[in-house]
Amino acid sequence: QITLKESGPTLVKPTQTLTLTCTFSGFSLNTSGVAVGCIRQPPGKALEWLALIYWDDEKRYSPSLKSRLTITKDTSKNQVLFTMTNMDPVDTATYYCAHRRDVTKAYYYFEFWGQGSLVTVSS
Amino acid sequence: SYELTQPPSVSVSPGQTASITCFGDGLPKQYAYWYQQKPGQAPVLVICKDRERPSGIPERFSGSSSGTTVTLTISGVQAEDEADYYCQSADTRGTSVIFGGGTTLTVL
Repeated sequence: QITLKESGPTLVKPTQTLTLTCTFSGFSLNTSGVAVGCIRQPPGKALEWLALIYWDDEKRYSPSLKSRLTITKDTSKNQVLFTMTNMDPVDTATYYCAHRRDVTKAYYYFEFWGQGSLVTVSS
Repeated sequence: SYELTQPPSVSVSPGQTASITCFGDGLPKQYAYWYQQKPGQAPVLVICKDRERPSGIPERFSGSSSGTTVTLTISGVQAEDEADYYCQSADTRGTSVIFGGGTTLTVL
């Protein structure tokens, strides 16, 4: 059974860096084809993809936010770490991590999702 | 920048068929995926690679593709299908993920 869970601060001040941890079970990020992505959703708004890390450590970032994002993995702990710098109130959102597995790297879809973690940016 | 365009809302009576469209210039080159999201819950993948149904998704959910438009069809809509639906694809280079703006399905 594949599960993912996001953890991190619920409140972040403007200009601070957000660090979220995605802890997963039921799969390994050493397995070919597997990737974990980060997606956010501001309250009442649409989903927005942020980043993705593959089993071979290749990474993808949203072009519009690339300069602020970093995604890494710790396979020994079954965790993915996601950071976003220079947080602003417009970054207030529920942040999700999600699992993807496909032999083709360019096929992006997420079959298993965490419950999400609401992060509020406010002074 | 590349966008996926969905109608903001669709309404249908129980038992009828709901069709939700998603338009994008890159859709002839990239697969589309559909997610269902109910209030307070994480999205659920309901259609994969234009028309494949993941395990556990009811047969009433189907997907189709024609040129720059993909369509999610829900046949025999049930009250429990009331939710937001998002299409998702990749940019034409296949290097980033894109979500549509979402469609709220209301079951009258």
